[in-house]
Amino acid sequence: GQNIDQPTEMTATEGAIVQINCTYQTSGFNGLFWYQQHAGEAPTFLSYNVLDGLEEKGRFSSFLSRSKGYSYLLLKELQMKDSASYLCAVMDSNYQLIWGAGTKLIIKP
Amino acid sequence: GAVVSQHPSRVICKSGTSVKIECRSLDFQATTMFWYRQFPKQSLMLMATSNEGSKATYEQGVEKDKFLINHASLTLSTLTVTSAHPEDSSFYICSARAGTPRDEQFFGPGTRLTVL
Repeated sequence: GQNIDQPTEMTATEGAIVQINCTYQTSGFNGLFWYQQHAGEAPTFLSYNVLDGLEEKGRFSSFLSRSKGYSYLLLKELQMKDSASYLCAVMDSNYQLIWGAGTKLIIKP
Repeated sequence: GAVVSQHPSRVICKSGTSVKIECRSLDFQATTMFWYRQFPKQSLMLMATSNEGSKATYEQGVEKDKFLINHASLTLSTLTVTSAHPEDSSFYICSARAGTPRDEQFFGPGTRLTVL
């Protein structure tokens, strides 16, 4: 079967750095997405990785290792507004998005 | 980025009634639209995929006669929950994609359905 694993919940301090991991097992791979979802709202796109390595976009970076079936989302200089769920999703060989359950990130002052 | 709207944003209905949710791509033509359902503290669950002018493809376990999907134009798809029951209460989210499967999906803001 296909599955995406990510931690259920993480807590971090305002101004700090946090890394959210995602491991996946899917039938084929056509890229990995990270989305941010605030409570009661739809997901918003953060990043897309299809090649190995690190993609940096402002305070957020995303890393991919296809051989390890592993990705992480790195958030720097955390702000209170970063409190949200972070969803990892993999596009499989049929171009279907397979979603993880999301990691709820709690930021404390 | 592209904008996708959903209407209504929130609906409360009585058990047994039908509810229609609209999903519109405002500034692009959506070749494909997706309907998701999300229960509290759970992941997005894909319900169906629809291409303009053709019948929707439903995921396993999703009743096509209960969740009617119409993708009549390149900018509009509708999901009708027929004979809704309390267990259908959920957050329904649509997304739209302009071109190839590799293209990004843009999400609507979601519709919170509560069935009493």
